[in-house]
Amino acid sequence: DGGITQSPKYLFRKEGQNVTLSCEQNLNHDAMYWYRQDPGQGLRLIYYSQIVNDFQKGDIAEGYSVSREKKESFPLTVTSAQKNPTAFYLCASSKTGVGSPLHFGNGTRLTVT
Amino acid sequence: QKEVEQNSGPLSVPEGAIASLNCTYSDRVSQSFFWYRQYSGKSPELIMSIYSNGDKEDGRFTAQLNKASQYVSLLIRDSQPSDSATYLCAVAYNNNDMRFGAGTRLTVKP
Repeated sequence: DGGITQSPKYLFRKEGQNVTLSCEQNLNHDAMYWYRQDPGQGLRLIYYSQIVNDFQKGDIAEGYSVSREKKESFPLTVTSAQKNPTAFYLCASSKTGVGSPLHFGNGTRLTVT
Repeated sequence: QKEVEQNSGPLSVPEGAIASLNCTYSDRVSQSFFWYRQYSGKSPELIMSIYSNGDKEDGRFTAQLNKASQYVSLLIRDSQPSDSATYLCAVAYNNNDMRFGAGTRLTVKP
């Protein structure tokens, strides 16, 4: 079955450590996205990528980095520069072209203490 | 500034009633509009998409779009307790830039 796989489901890290969240899709979608969701809030765009080796910052890119070396993969690194990294992180993908809905992975819940 | 606004609720309706969820957006060039449902602790799932002015119906769900007023809504008829969730409005701007509202929490009481 085609879909988006995020791993791990839960992740715990100490403050000051970088951590990388995995996102893999086999839907053959060109566009991929990372969103952050805090309790009781909507989704905020961190980064998105429309093609391999290209990506754009969203509204809250500071303290995060991404890479898009393969069409299927769009990992997100949460760096120590991110001041409040504890959140629910959602990866999504879509076909290119305005009008294509997003397909979401199951999310990674990151807790930094 | 690309903003999508929703009433955060909570919105509470009795079982069998119509639930009405509203969303406004700031950018007139927006082309595509979506409603997602998100259960607590889960990822969003697509319910409806709408691209042109008017109504679009799918089962118990009706999406309404008014581009002149920059307004999109979702009606849920015959609401069921299983409809209790947070509903997210999403607006697609150019180049696949998709922005979400904060969501409206809906509770359907048996």
